[in-house]
Amino acid sequence: KNEVEQSPQNLTAQEGEFITINCSYSVGISALHWLQQHPGGGIVSLFMLSSGKKKHGRLIATINIQEKHSSLHITASHPRDSAVYICAVVLRGSQGNLIFGKGTKLSVKP
Amino acid sequence: EAQVTQNPRYLITVTGKKLTVTCSQNMNHEYMSWYRQDPGLGLRQIYYSMNVEVTDKGDVPEGYKVSRKEKRNFPLILESPSPNQTSLYFCASRLGGISYEQYFGPGTRLTVT
Repeated sequence: KNEVEQSPQNLTAQEGEFITINCSYSVGISALHWLQQHPGGGIVSLFMLSSGKKKHGRLIATINIQEKHSSLHITASHPRDSAVYICAVVLRGSQGNLIFGKGTKLSVKP
Repeated sequence: EAQVTQNPRYLITVTGKKLTVTCSQNMNHEYMSWYRQDPGLGLRQIYYSMNVEVTDKGDVPEGYKVSRKEKRNFPLILESPSPNQTSLYFCASRLGGISYEQYFGPGTRLTVT
């Protein structure tokens, strides 16, 4: 069983739709990252959170430590949001090493 | 501009020909790491370094070497590359300690024939 599970694996949405990507983990963590990777591109950190909720523009990330679950929401989605979104956790007690989910491929159609 | 740089960005090589992928950061970060990304497997850690002269294995270290002689540089060395090392490689750095914000390099796409 993977320690970090994301759902869905693939997601197709129409422009303007509200999108949710989920991440569940089975290990104790110090923090959780949401990363974005555009096709052929590098990896950008969107959020790092250890509790509660963070918002940046149209993106919102939440985490529930007790339930070991995090969500990434995109409001008013746009074709430029098309990318792979990766959840990564910082394993508690480690040297800050990351364990990654396999990613969610999002395609937003105009 | 704060950044992590990698070179080369693309490399096609043949089995057994030693190669080095360089990684450099200008943020005075203590922690640096290397990852490989493969379809269906996601990102996996190869090696990491907590500081100068301190390195340790990640999840998939076989066939790779690293060194950390200077704080800013963390090269990845493939002494005898094989086709199963064809992958997309990312270097990343963070400040260290309990500062977990990670900065990723642009990636190096390696093909070993």
